[in-house]
Amino acid sequence: NAGVTQTPKFQVLKTGQSMTLQCAQDMNHEYMSWYRQDPGMGLRLIHYSVGAGITDQGEVPNGYNVSRSTTEDFPLRLLSAAPSQTSVYFCASSIRDQGNGYTFGSGTRLTVV
Amino acid sequence: GQQVMQIPQYQHVQEGEDFTTYCNSSTTLSNIQWYKQRPGGHPVFLIQLVKSGEVKKQKRLTFQFGEAKKNSSLHITATQTTDVGTYFCAGRQGGKLIFGQGTELSVKP
Repeated sequence: NAGVTQTPKFQVLKTGQSMTLQCAQDMNHEYMSWYRQDPGMGLRLIHYSVGAGITDQGEVPNGYNVSRSTTEDFPLRLLSAAPSQTSVYFCASSIRDQGNGYTFGSGTRLTVV
Repeated sequence: GQQVMQIPQYQHVQEGEDFTTYCNSSTTLSNIQWYKQRPGGHPVFLIQLVKSGEVKKQKRLTFQFGEAKKNSSLHITATQTTDVGTYFCAGRQGGKLIFGQGTELSVKP
């Protein structure tokens, strides 16, 4: 049982490049979310999904796209990377029951130069 | 939209001292969750509070949910060096979990 797996762990991009951050969970969780973490700003919600085929915007969605074609996978796409997107990105998942917390992946540290 | 404010941003304590972090929301929360993130790590779920006035304990940690369900607190009694990290509160609405800014705790041995 791997939990939430994020790849890659580290990435350096040039401004304007695109890339996809991968997130997979093997716990059959309905809910999945992407967060970015910047110093002094906590965890900010980018996009979230309540099930396959359903996604919605969070607090800071601009510059990011997501899709949820399967229950297991929730990739985050940066269309044209900007230095302001330098951050640590966390993927998290939870079962529908609101009595449970979210399980987080170990994160992707992204630097845009 | 839902906003969750957390104070203080930083807290430095001597080992053995107590520590408290406070969480406030502009709107009534249906529930509140608390997470701990060790330096260099990822957030780990600690607990959820749902009922007005609810108090839950985990060893030296005491969690409270306000009567109006707009505020919450986490109190650590007699801190230890293993308590070092950032503590986050978060309000959950369906599939959406919104975090406060977190309180970074450092403990001097």
